[in-house]
Amino acid sequence: DGGITQSPKYLFRKEGQNVTLSCEQNLNHDAMYWYRQDPGQGLRLIYYSQIVNDFQKGDIAEGYSVSREKKESFPLTVTSAQKNPTAFYLCASAPQSSYNEQFFGPGTRLTVL
Amino acid sequence: AQSVAQPEDQVNVAEGNPLTVKCTYSVSGNPYLFWYVQYPNRGLQFLLKYITGDNLVKGSYGFEAEFNKSQTSFHLKKPSALVSDSALYFCAVRDRRSGGSYIPTFGRGTSLIVHP
Repeated sequence: DGGITQSPKYLFRKEGQNVTLSCEQNLNHDAMYWYRQDPGQGLRLIYYSQIVNDFQKGDIAEGYSVSREKKESFPLTVTSAQKNPTAFYLCASAPQSSYNEQFFGPGTRLTVL
Repeated sequence: AQSVAQPEDQVNVAEGNPLTVKCTYSVSGNPYLFWYVQYPNRGLQFLLKYITGDNLVKGSYGFEAEFNKSQTSFHLKKPSALVSDSALYFCAVRDRRSGGSYIPTFGRGTSLIVHP
């Protein structure tokens, strides 16, 4: 069953703690992305990776970090430096061609208590 | 940078009536445009895309979109709305980032509500 998975679905964090969101895909896609979704603001790009062991900052990278050690995995760490981390986080993947659509995971809702 | 605008936060339509969700774009060069749908607490699902060719693009679940170069629009349409079409719809455009990567830029989304 091919697809892209995110875990956990819901995550609660205390202020000052780092937390890591998981994203795994078995679609053999080269590119992976992390977005943050807030009501009324659409999707904002946090980080993206076009190839293993390489990634670039998106529009709102401050307070976040990523790694891409394996093609199928692209975990996102929300650090304590992120001032307003409560949001819905979406991971996506796509084949390398720029004409291709993205495949999205089901999302992780992070709440900071 | 390339961008898209979705001028309506919400669209209301009665079941069985035609629906239109609007999207306009601003690009330099040829636009590559996408529509996605998001159901509550879910990820986005791809509906259709325009790369080149026929201005009327057909996609999933009976949706279609009309590319209009003179009006710089890419409106999403469906001849007969279903209550199950109620969701959040996103328009996106391929955007070139520094370093040469092409990444979609999304609109703010339009909430479609189909009334029984």
